[in-house]
Amino acid sequence: GAVVSQHPSWVICKSGTSVKIECRSLDFQATTMFWYRQFPKQSLMLMATSNEGSKATYEQGVEKDKFLINHASLTLSTLTVTSAHPEDSSFYICSARDYREDGYTFGSGTRLTVV
Amino acid sequence: GDSVTQMEGPVTLSEEAFLTINCTYTATGYPSLFWYVQYPGEGLQLLLKATKADDKGSNKGFEATYRKETTSFHLEKGSVQVSDSAVYFCALTVGTGTASKLTFGTGTRLQVTL
Repeated sequence: GAVVSQHPSWVICKSGTSVKIECRSLDFQATTMFWYRQFPKQSLMLMATSNEGSKATYEQGVEKDKFLINHASLTLSTLTVTSAHPEDSSFYICSARDYREDGYTFGSGTRLTVV
Repeated sequence: GDSVTQMEGPVTLSEEAFLTINCTYTATGYPSLFWYVQYPGEGLQLLLKATKADDKGSNKGFEATYRKETTSFHLEKGSVQVSDSAVYFCALTVGTGTASKLTFGTGTRLQVTL
């Protein structure tokens, strides 16, 4: 089945630095990928829709300059958390839709801790 | 707008007990319905899905039937195991394009004990 690889699986960074998270579709082309944020014991909050070759579409309330999304190829989308602060600590998950399976495949998530 | 309502957890059951997790939805169009499972520290995995009314999705002993008349998609399993302990998310999507978004419920944590 469709596989989405996300890494790193966890990262600790200092406050004020930037962190990049990668999301790759391994066996299919994903023109659209989705980035979610999940707080402890809560549901997934859609942050943005990443579109290959064009700008991402951000959900209301999500800071575009804070969470930079780049979808430079059909198999790779990246999320960069810029000037990270402790309140950005969270679990970030990407997903992509594969036409072949008519479903959504999720990455394994990235646990970001900002200290 | 589209929304999904799940029963609040946590749900605590003994092994081999019967499981029901309720899920109801509202949608502007004709949705496809999903159940996803999240094990601790991991991403989400598709458990089952149904794309039209009266369809039954099933996988690993779990079942859910798309009930249009009651706008529901309740998850059931006849005999749970400790390994089923996880968070379960009901979700829907409207449309079939790759940009169609999933709308999630709040998730229900299931804890199965020996």
